[in-house]
Amino acid sequence: AQSVTQLGSHVSVSEGALVLLRCNYSSSVPPYLFWYVQYPNQGLQLLLKYTSAATLVKGINGFEAEFKKSETSFHLTKPSAHMSDAAEYFCAVSYSGSARQLTFGSGTQLTVLP
Amino acid sequence: DAGITQSPRHKVTETGTPVTLRCHQTENHRYMYWYRQDPGHGLRLIHYSYGVKDTDKGEVSDGYSVSRSKTEDFLLTLESATSSQTSVYFCAISESISSGNTIYFGEGSWLTVV
Repeated sequence: AQSVTQLGSHVSVSEGALVLLRCNYSSSVPPYLFWYVQYPNQGLQLLLKYTSAATLVKGINGFEAEFKKSETSFHLTKPSAHMSDAAEYFCAVSYSGSARQLTFGSGTQLTVLP
Repeated sequence: DAGITQSPRHKVTETGTPVTLRCHQTENHRYMYWYRQDPGHGLRLIHYSYGVKDTDKGEVSDGYSVSRSKTEDFLLTLESATSSQTSVYFCAISESISSGNTIYFGEGSWLTVV
């Protein structure tokens, strides 16, 4: 069984500040981990994914995430928040060979304050 | 864009009526999925398909059925709509289930059951 926990359903940061969105996973087999972003009234867009290559993964829009097996975490960071980063962010886990694919966390709504 | 079209995009229906949502893809991907999105729950898998006429249940399949008669189309039917099925429905597609394969999402269908 696999699951994802996103700590903090709402996160607020000031423009220019560090963005840190937390994701912890539970998986009985080596996981593949994803971050998706959803802007209002739109579908989900892939930000980045971890597929067992480099543990530090760089994605679009300046985001990156680090896979830490010892902490079962895959936190999403961005050094400097921009107003356009305001959106909902979802962490998800899957494993190879599973047609069911993704199990999602409950999401974190990011607000960027001017 | 991943070549996914959902229809209708918005629908209001009455309790007890059947409703069909359509997902059409132009990518010739083998795997197709229906998720629902509700506040506090992230996205939850309703049904998925791993080929024409091959479908299986997800975690929240009660009250829903699906059909896939062609590679490009995946239909979700609410047999007798209830207020608890008011939600945003997302179709997704994937080329394979190999390690870390990306899943692409449609724009969503907003369904209100009154």
